[in-house]
Amino acid sequence: EVQLVESGGGLVQPGRSLKLSCLASGFTFSNYGMNWIRQAPGKGLEWVASISSSSSYIYYADTVKGRFTISRDNAKNTLYLQMTSLRSEDTALYYCARLRISNWYFDFWGPGTMVTVSS
Amino acid sequence: DIQMTQSPASLSASLEEIVTITCQASQDIGNWLAWYQQKPGKSPQLLIYGATSLADGVPSRFSGSRSGTQYSLKISRLQVEDIGIYYCQQASSAPLTFGSGTKLEIK
Repeated sequence: EVQLVESGGGLVQPGRSLKLSCLASGFTFSNYGMNWIRQAPGKGLEWVASISSSSSYIYYADTVKGRFTISRDNAKNTLYLQMTSLRSEDTALYYCARLRISNWYFDFWGPGTMVTVSS
Repeated sequence: DIQMTQSPASLSASLEEIVTITCQASQDIGNWLAWYQQKPGKSPQLLIYGATSLADGVPSRFSGSRSGTQYSLKISRLQVEDIGIYYCQQASSAPLTFGSGTKLEIK
């Protein structure tokens, strides 16, 4: 069974940093592109970042480019999101999601980890 | 960036009724379109990909179609378990973008 479990969320002050993790199981992690997608409270879905299976290709939304870094450790079956210079508008539930092979559809999602940016 | 305009924002329908949700892409995205269902308090789930292909385990009462740059999700016979928010997503080019969502309720 495919499982994605995010961790690392919490309350953080504006301007500070936070690192999210997503532990994958139930599939060959190194074969799949992975993503972070966020959902602000009561709002819709916003794609944040994508990383290819071997980390060769990385993409970011303009809203986080230069502040967030996506990475992965295929030996540990883990996806990461390093977030710096956090702003109040980064407050959201952050989902880890797997890409279907050879396309840009999200076929499995984790339950999410909540990040709250507030003083 | 490709904009996805989704309508309606909310919808109330009776059980067994046919429900249709639409998404308009701001430019040609071919069949690179997915639909997701988000049940209350849960993560989104892939329903349709490639505009018309049903994802694994999705009931056959769900279907997708395309007419030019307009895409539709149809639920042929609404069931109680179908309540939630539905999102379209374009998979043609980065940045990947979602529609604003349609909240579906039972009348």
